[in-house]
Amino acid sequence: DGGITQSPKYLFRKEGQNVTLSCEQNLNHDAMYWYRQDPGQGLRLIYYSQIVNDFQKGDIAEGYSVSREKKESFPLTVTSAQKNPTAFYLCASSPRVKNSPLHFGNGTRLTVT
Amino acid sequence: GQQLNQSPQSMFIQEGEDVSMNCTSSSIFNTWLWYKQDPGEGPVLLIALYKAGELTSNGRLTAQFGITRKDSFLNISASIPSDVGIYFCAGQLLSGNTPLVFGKGTRLSVIA
Repeated sequence: DGGITQSPKYLFRKEGQNVTLSCEQNLNHDAMYWYRQDPGQGLRLIYYSQIVNDFQKGDIAEGYSVSREKKESFPLTVTSAQKNPTAFYLCASSPRVKNSPLHFGNGTRLTVT
Repeated sequence: GQQLNQSPQSMFIQEGEDVSMNCTSSSIFNTWLWYKQDPGEGPVLLIALYKAGELTSNGRLTAQFGITRKDSFLNISASIPSDVGIYFCAGQLLSGNTPLVFGKGTRLSVIA
């Protein structure tokens, strides 16, 4: 079955530690995205990538970093510079950025204490 | 970033009632999408609209792409308990090569 896999489902970290969230897709999509979801805030775009070795900042990129070394993979690192990292993180992919519905993974809930 | 105004923010309805929600913007869009998110899961695409005026159904769901290209609505008929969740609209701006813009969601609760 084609799809997007995010792991782990739940992640706990101590404040001050960097943490990397995994996202893998086997849909052969060129574009991949990371969103952050907080209650009542909807989906806010962190970073997106249109093609391998290229990525752009979204609306709330500060405190986050990404890489796109392979088409299938788009890991997100939440750094210690992110002031409020506790949130639900969603990864998505689409064939291209323009006029393509996004396919979402099932999310990773990150809790930082 | 761009904003989509989605309303209502939340709804409590009786099972069997019809539901209507909408998204509006001051910008012109060439694609409108509607997603549903169950608790703890990722959003799932319900309906995609690509032409102004287009009216599309998916079972009990019906969505329309406004003729001004600045709005869209989603109707759910005869609601059932499994309709509970958060519904998001998303739009693709007419200009530029930018990602979808999402509304803040409508949280639907169904009372049996």
